[in-house]
Amino acid sequence: DTGVSQNPRHKITKRGQNVTFRCDPISEHNRLYWYRQTLGQGPEFLTYFQNEAQLEKSRLLSDRFSAERPKGSFSTLEIQRTEQGDSAMYLCASSLEPGQASSYNEQFFGPGTRLTVL
Amino acid sequence: SQQGEEDPQALSIQEGENATMNCSYKTSINNLQWYRQNSGRGLVHLILIRSNEREKHSGRLRVTLDTSKKSSSLLITASRAADTASYFCATAAGTGGYQKVTFGIGTKLQVIP
Repeated sequence: DTGVSQNPRHKITKRGQNVTFRCDPISEHNRLYWYRQTLGQGPEFLTYFQNEAQLEKSRLLSDRFSAERPKGSFSTLEIQRTEQGDSAMYLCASSLEPGQASSYNEQFFGPGTRLTVL
Repeated sequence: SQQGEEDPQALSIQEGENATMNCSYKTSINNLQWYRQNSGRGLVHLILIRSNEREKHSGRLRVTLDTSKKSSSLLITASRAADTASYFCATAAGTGGYQKVTFGIGTKLQVIP
């Protein structure tokens, strides 16, 4: 399977604990995106990387959240001191850079990591 | 923040009928896309329409875009039970190399066999 993969698929944690999620993008994609989706809502943009550089962060990404993409391949999203409001589906997507195929490149989404904070 | 607003929020139809979902947005866009999401899963890109296009077809899907009204519609013809899913419109806006994609809240479609 050469699609976007995310691990774990489900995570249950207690309030105050730290959690880390991993995303493996499609191998030739140099852009990687993180979104958060709460029940009954559409995905909300958190941040994106081009190669290893984090180029944009949403205001939703509080200082308890940190994302990395150290070698420009997989990415991790860490949430420190989790709160119940962090419970959501965390989606990762990847794409080529515009210009490599078209002026806008389709984002391919992974299956998501569902986080439940008790 | 959510840019698009889908209408209706829920839709239930019989298999074989057509399903129409609408999306309204607030700011100027470069393009608009529609995605499908099966329950608890990731999103699948369905179709993209650029701001200078008015209509686009892909299989049983037909998308229209009216930039003067800042609205789009997705028509699924001859619906099947497998079309049961949530459908999201997403707008892409911005200049330069990065176009920020903003999703609406979605329409939940149920196709009854």
